[in-house]
Amino acid sequence: GEDVEQSLFLSVREGDSSVINCTYTDSSSTYLYWYKQEPGAGLQLLTYIFSNMDMKQDQRLTVLLNKKDKHLSLRIADTQTGDSAIYFCAESMRGSQGNLIFGKGTKLSVKP
Amino acid sequence: DTAVSQTPKYLVTQMGNDKSIKCEQNLGHDTMYWYKQDSKKFLKIMFSYNNKELIINETVPNRFSPKSPDKAHLNLHINSLELGDSAVYFCASSRLGETQYFGPGTRLLVL
Repeated sequence: GEDVEQSLFLSVREGDSSVINCTYTDSSSTYLYWYKQEPGAGLQLLTYIFSNMDMKQDQRLTVLLNKKDKHLSLRIADTQTGDSAIYFCAESMRGSQGNLIFGKGTKLSVKP
Repeated sequence: DTAVSQTPKYLVTQMGNDKSIKCEQNLGHDTMYWYKQDSKKFLKIMFSYNNKELIINETVPNRFSPKSPDKAHLNLHINSLELGDSAVYFCASSRLGETQYFGPGTRLLVL
């Protein structure tokens, strides 16, 4: 079945880079997403990558996709305290109206 | 203007009651979704719906039913609420198969 795995916690110092990793199982995924959830808030779409791309950069965010290993990563450069949140990796299933399968989320803590 | 909105934001109710959560999107999308986030923050799809097809996650009890009066709305009705239904429920919308945008969530507490 479909499964998306992430490590549950990551702690970094302010100004360092953060790298959040994700592995998925379904090679037919069309899109892969990163969502951010701040405490008590909803899900904010951060970025996404189409499955035929290797990399996507958007300001401080860099997404890397290794389709052979089914590995997705999100790098946040110059991490700030405001980046503290839970980051969810999700894959979009082909043929299911695009239903998203989410990882369990990585809680990023940024220490000053 | 909020793209995907949900009401109420908070809902506290007794076991056995029937309740509804409303969702509206003004993005012109044709597909809407309901997700459940439990106390451990795990997110799971419950339903997806467009004007042609309803897809139900087989793990969702039939006490839960989505109702769509029009393309911009997908409401969630829950009958005979149980303690285990306590969670945050997120609505989302998209063009079919494309990026989903989420509402702010409804925090349901069943006592």
